[in-house]
Amino acid sequence: GAGVSQSPRYKVAKRGQDVALRCDPISGHVSLFWYQQALGQGPEFLTYFQNEAQLDKSGLPSDRFFAERPEGSVSTLKIQRTQQEDSAVYLCASSEPLYGYTFGSGTRLTVV
Amino acid sequence: AQSVTQLDSQVPVFEEAPVELRCNYSSSVSVYLFWYVQYPNQGLQLLLKYLSGSTLVESINGFEAEFNKSQTSFHLRKPSVHISDTAEYFCAVSDKSQGAQKLVFGQGTRLTINP
Repeated sequence: GAGVSQSPRYKVAKRGQDVALRCDPISGHVSLFWYQQALGQGPEFLTYFQNEAQLDKSGLPSDRFFAERPEGSVSTLKIQRTQQEDSAVYLCASSEPLYGYTFGSGTRLTVV
Repeated sequence: AQSVTQLDSQVPVFEEAPVELRCNYSSSVSVYLFWYVQYPNQGLQLLLKYLSGSTLVESINGFEAEFNKSQTSFHLRKPSVHISDTAEYFCAVSDKSQGAQKLVFGQGTRLTINP
């Protein structure tokens, strides 16, 4: 597609529920990133893939967070046993070499 | 680890007035620098970037930023703002020594243009 597509656009989860957030990157983009943006804050790095390899997951806040990109294209960020502090906008970005980042519109997760 | 400080959380200005949004980053051997803009209910869009070469970089809509290595700054400026510039602006840095893949963002500056 022309841009990075994320779904769902909004997600309300009850505390303790598992959620899965999807990212469709720009076709052919090798690198894919997930960021978390809390209300009133800048985005914070979660994890990075190069093709299907997860090269950096240092930003994942806990072992409840898991990301995958099994075929080097679509990626899923999964959060298990959601908690209120997980409420945020989750941003996905894909890029070509040399810093052509394109961000999706994000998934706004609200945990109630 | 890299960090980015945007000194102003909110900047209100009148239409057609000049504006400067400040950004400082923690010292590093060499970095790439970016400004992103986020309009209401939209995703982040790249406004401009410094990779190398001229320290003054410009966007297509009249913004410019100057890389100042000695002051570790990358302030964003526009000589005359429009209502349509109302948005949140994020400064970001990536560290060349770490492969320059990960962006570290500042907390953002909300620019509000008053008529």
